[in-house]
Amino acid sequence: AQSVTQPDIHITVSEGASLELRCNYSYGATPYLFWYVQSPGQGLQLLLKYFSGDTLVQGIKGFEAEFKRSQSSFNLRKPSVHWSDAAEYFCAVGGVRGQKVTFGIGTKLQVIP
Amino acid sequence: GAVVSQHPSWVICKSGTSVKIECRSLDFQATTMFWYRQFPKQSLMLMATSNEGSKATYEQGVEKDKFLINHASLTLSTLTVTSAHPEDSSFYICSARDFKENYGYTFGSGTRLTVV
Repeated sequence: AQSVTQPDIHITVSEGASLELRCNYSYGATPYLFWYVQSPGQGLQLLLKYFSGDTLVQGIKGFEAEFKRSQSSFNLRKPSVHWSDAAEYFCAVGGVRGQKVTFGIGTKLQVIP
Repeated sequence: GAVVSQHPSWVICKSGTSVKIECRSLDFQATTMFWYRQFPKQSLMLMATSNEGSKATYEQGVEKDKFLINHASLTLSTLTVTSAHPEDSSFYICSARDFKENYGYTFGSGTRLTVV
């Protein structure tokens, strides 16, 4: 069965500092991986996705993620965090040929001045 | 890019009544849509997969008679919470896949349901 682990439930970073959100997955084949962001009371917005090719994926809002098959990881990074990045971030796996997407529990990001 | 519209964004209803939530793909056709439920401070849990022109596929533990799903067209899926109770209060989100977007799933903005 597919699963996603986000080990950090809550992270606090200073504005301007770098950010890395961790994601580990379990999937029976080559995974399709996603990162979504959710602002309070809002729906989810796709930041980036990986399904093949270059293992370093660029997304919107200056985010990037690197797929590491050997570590079963798909960590999200941003070199310099802005206050507007405060939100909840979800890593997800699956979706191959229309199959369901499984989400991690989410990491809540707090940005301090 | 692909846009999914969900309506209403919030609704308050009395116990015992039914509530319908709509999910529309605005600029693409979606043969499959997904309905998720999100409890406070928790992740999204898939409730069911909505298939255009056929019955929905429910995840284990989800009452299909409680959560009625209809996918009558390629751009509209509805979720009806029947005989709602306070424990049905939650955040419901739909998603659809635009195949032109290569496996990316677009989500609606969600519906906050409060049953009083």
